[in-house]
Amino acid sequence: QVQLVESGGGVVQPGRSLRLSCTASGFTFSTYTMHWVRQAPGKGLEWVAVISYDGSNKYYADSVRGRFTISRDNSMDTLYVQMHSLREEDTAVYYCARGGVVVPAPKDVWGQGTTVTVSS
Amino acid sequence: QSVLTQPPSVSGAPGQRVTISCTGSSSNIGAGYDVHWYQQLPGTAPKLLIYDNRNRPSGVPDRFSGSKSGTSASLAITGLQAEDEADYYCQSYDTSLSGSVFGGGTKLTVL
Repeated sequence: QVQLVESGGGVVQPGRSLRLSCTASGFTFSTYTMHWVRQAPGKGLEWVAVISYDGSNKYYADSVRGRFTISRDNSMDTLYVQMHSLREEDTAVYYCARGGVVVPAPKDVWGQGTTVTVSS
Repeated sequence: QSVLTQPPSVSGAPGQRVTISCTGSSSNIGAGYDVHWYQQLPGTAPKLLIYDNRNRPSGVPDRFSGSKSGTSASLAITGLQAEDEADYYCQSYDTSLSGSVFGGGTKLTVL
């Protein structure tokens, strides 16, 4: 079945780096835009970044631009986000989500999320 | 502060109808971008509930409906059931931000 599985979360000190992964199955990964969305404890959803189906276009939320890098490996059906200079306010559950052909399309498949805690 | 504005909470008794509003601006909903709605049950990942303003994915009951007008959109839930108790989020695209934007979320309580 169509599935997204995130991994790579954990506890990290402020200023350090972390890479999250999202492995897709059950659909042709290389034909979809992909998103990262996060949710801080007790808060709402915050869009983080999107990457086009072929990786040629990437867009970021202002809160992470310059610190996070989204990427994908279509041969491995895997989405990544490399996070640098982590701050306590980056603490959240990070979800990967499948988009559509174009960036404004709905996110119709979500992973179960991976938790990132930034704390000294 | 979210780009899209939703009421923090709504409530209703079983069987009743509730609506959740989502207000944007000329750079997102008012620019013609579609609105999508997600349901997040406690402790779970969000689930697409309504897409492109008024369409339901397969498996979503017709008790859920969406509409859009101008710079706003609404989600209506009729025949409220206990299992509808969840957080609901609207989402659109913002041309000035070149990315997705979410509402702050609305917690639905079934009395």
